[in-house]
Amino acid sequence: NAGVTQTPKFQVLKTGQSMTLQCAQDMNHEYMSWYRQDPGMGLRLIHYSVGAGITDQGEVPNGYNVSRSTTEDFPLRLLSAAPSQTSVYFCASSRGGLAGGPSGELFFGEGSRLTVL
Amino acid sequence: AQSVTQLGSHVSVSEGALVLLRCNYSSSVPPYLFWYVQYPNQGLQLLLKYTSAATLVKGINGFEAEFKKSETSFHLTKPSAHMSDAAEYFCAVGRSQGNLIFGKGTKLSVKP
Repeated sequence: NAGVTQTPKFQVLKTGQSMTLQCAQDMNHEYMSWYRQDPGMGLRLIHYSVGAGITDQGEVPNGYNVSRSTTEDFPLRLLSAAPSQTSVYFCASSRGGLAGGPSGELFFGEGSRLTVL
Repeated sequence: AQSVTQLGSHVSVSEGALVLLRCNYSSSVPPYLFWYVQYPNQGLQLLLKYTSAATLVKGINGFEAEFKKSETSFHLTKPSAHMSDAAEYFCAVGRSQGNLIFGKGTKLSVKP
């Protein structure tokens, strides 16, 4: 019962370094998305994908890249890390649309806590 | 445009007391409305959802929420709080073909 798996759980970077947060789901969901969670800000959408080969920007896309070569995987790349990207990142997947649709729901990973010094 | 406002970033109740977490939404089309719960160091999980069926929605762990169109509200309630209810709760609004918009969250503390 893996669901949505995120790695790593914790990461510390120096300003300017690059890294990739991995996300994999085993539920054959079409829709996948990346959110960042900051205190008092709720969750904000970074990028999303409606299927393999299709990605689009969310609310706060600057400084991040994504790709979706398979249904299962949706990695998030930080190109040149900045202290403003210190956050907790959540990957989510769903079958019925980005909002989960009328009969669906979003399934979240456990999060990746990133600190940029 | 859609938006959601959660009133109160922190709510504290005594064990056994009523839990009331407030959420108001703005949407130009009939919305889907959700409550998600986040326990410490975990991801979010769905508590309940409204998708234009019954206006009173029952969720897991004894929570329920009532959709009130005239008040544009979707408040979350539980008659009797338990220590295990301590968590952060997020209200969210979405559309079938759109993204999910989250509120800023309300942290619930339960005192023994």
